[in-house]
Amino acid sequence: QSVLTQPPSASGTPGQRVTISCSGSSSNIGRNAVNWYQQLPGTAPKLLICSDNQRPSGVPDRFSGSKSGTSASLAISGLQSEDEADFYCGTWDDSLNNWVFGGGTKLTVL
Amino acid sequence: EVQLLESGGDLVQPGGSLRLSCAASGFTFSSYSMNWVRQAPGKGLDWVSGISSDAGSTYYADSVKGRFSISRDNSKNTVYLQMNSLRAEDTAVYYCAKGRGYTRYGMDVWGQGASVTVSS
Repeated sequence: QSVLTQPPSASGTPGQRVTISCSGSSSNIGRNAVNWYQQLPGTAPKLLICSDNQRPSGVPDRFSGSKSGTSASLAISGLQSEDEADFYCGTWDDSLNNWVFGGGTKLTVL
Repeated sequence: EVQLLESGGDLVQPGGSLRLSCAASGFTFSSYSMNWVRQAPGKGLDWVSGISSDAGSTYYADSVKGRFSISRDNSKNTVYLQMNSLRAEDTAVYYCAKGRGYTRYGMDVWGQGASVTVSS
C-alpha cells in the first residue's frame, strides 16, 4: 500500500463541487509541500497543484488545494465531464528520503 | 516549450538489463532535478528515482535500490535510467519527469513514457 492514502474513487454530477483527500504523516505531508497530478485516460500525468495550493499557469481556478497538518485536499468546483480522470497526491518523505505518491483517486462525472 | 522524449523501452527477459534515455529540450536542463516515475498496467504512479541538477545527489525507491542507476549528461540534456536484474514486477510505462527545482519539490512536466515489459 501507498505511504499516502487517497480514496480509490470519487464522483459528482456536472456543476457540483468534489473534494479528494490525501492523508500522510509527520515525515511527509506534515513537513513538505504537496503536489497534485491529473492523469486523463491514456495520457501522461499533468501537474495540477503545487506547493500545497498553487496553480501552475493554465490550470483553471476551479481546481484548488489545501493542507492542514498531515492531510491535504484537492477541491474541484463546477465539475465538468472533461474532469473525469485519475488524481494523485505526492510529496517528499523525509524518513524514506524519496518522493511518494498516493494510490490515486478515480473521479467519475455522473 | 518544455519537451521530454523517452527512448529505450523494450521487451526483456527476467534478469536482463535495459537503459532508458530521456532527451530534454525547452529549458535550462542543468538547472533542474530529473526523475523517473513508472506506472504498471492498470496501477498507480510509482516514483522510481531522482537526480539533482548537478548529479551530485541521487535517490531511489527501495524496490529498485541496488538494481537501477540514474545518471545525467548535462552537455547532452539527457537523463538515463540503467535497469539491471529486471523482474516481472518492473513491467510498466516509465515516465521521465522534470523536477520543479530540488528533487524534494517534485515534478512538473512529464514525457509520454517508454514501455518496459519483463517477460520470458
